[in-house]
Amino acid sequence: GESVGLHLPTLSVQEGDNSIINCAYSNSASDYFIWYKQESGKGPQFIIDIRSNMDKRQGQRVTVLLNKTVKHLSLQIAATQPGDSAVYFCAEKHAGTALIFGKGTTLSVSS
Amino acid sequence: DTAVSQTPKYLVTQMGNDKSIKCEQNLGHDTMYWYKQDSKKFLKIMFSYNNKELIINETVPNRFSPKSPDKAHLNLHINSLELGDSAVYFCASSLNGQSNQPQHFGDGTRLSIL
Repeated sequence: GESVGLHLPTLSVQEGDNSIINCAYSNSASDYFIWYKQESGKGPQFIIDIRSNMDKRQGQRVTVLLNKTVKHLSLQIAATQPGDSAVYFCAEKHAGTALIFGKGTTLSVSS
Repeated sequence: DTAVSQTPKYLVTQMGNDKSIKCEQNLGHDTMYWYKQDSKKFLKIMFSYNNKELIINETVPNRFSPKSPDKAHLNLHINSLELGDSAVYFCASSLNGQSNQPQHFGDGTRLSIL
């Protein structure tokens, strides 16, 4: 079946750098996308979402970009901090379905 | 107050036993979910309930039986536990089952089958 995937299983950055986590999705009917952060021993924590009628949305230190032409989603984290170290998941949804999660990218931030 | 809380946090039991995991949300949401996360961190939907009614069942074995006594609770009962059931189970809720609604997750129940 169709699924959401991530390009890289791990990403290592230095504190203060900007991080970019990528995700490719295959279901053109998906109209809602979410990024989650999962720390060790915790549940996924909502970071930011975007609807398919938008191509960019900004939060605090985070930006999500949506490129529907190539079915690509990215999460940009500005001035990455050690506390940003976690597994990041993208997820997609369309009407009548549950969230479909990608495989996750482990972000490691070194100081 | 924790928005989505599930108990127990850890569950260790033997193959063949029956166990239950409880979930409660105090967000006033109508829709609740159960997800399974395997050892490779892959999260997959199991069930979804909207206002106590089952709306999604993703071909989960019938040894798994969700029960929703009211819209704030969605419990998961598992019969005849198997080794492959070892995983982390997450409960989640959303305002309703429509698109454009983020889901809020509990902190998971780590189930280990001996």
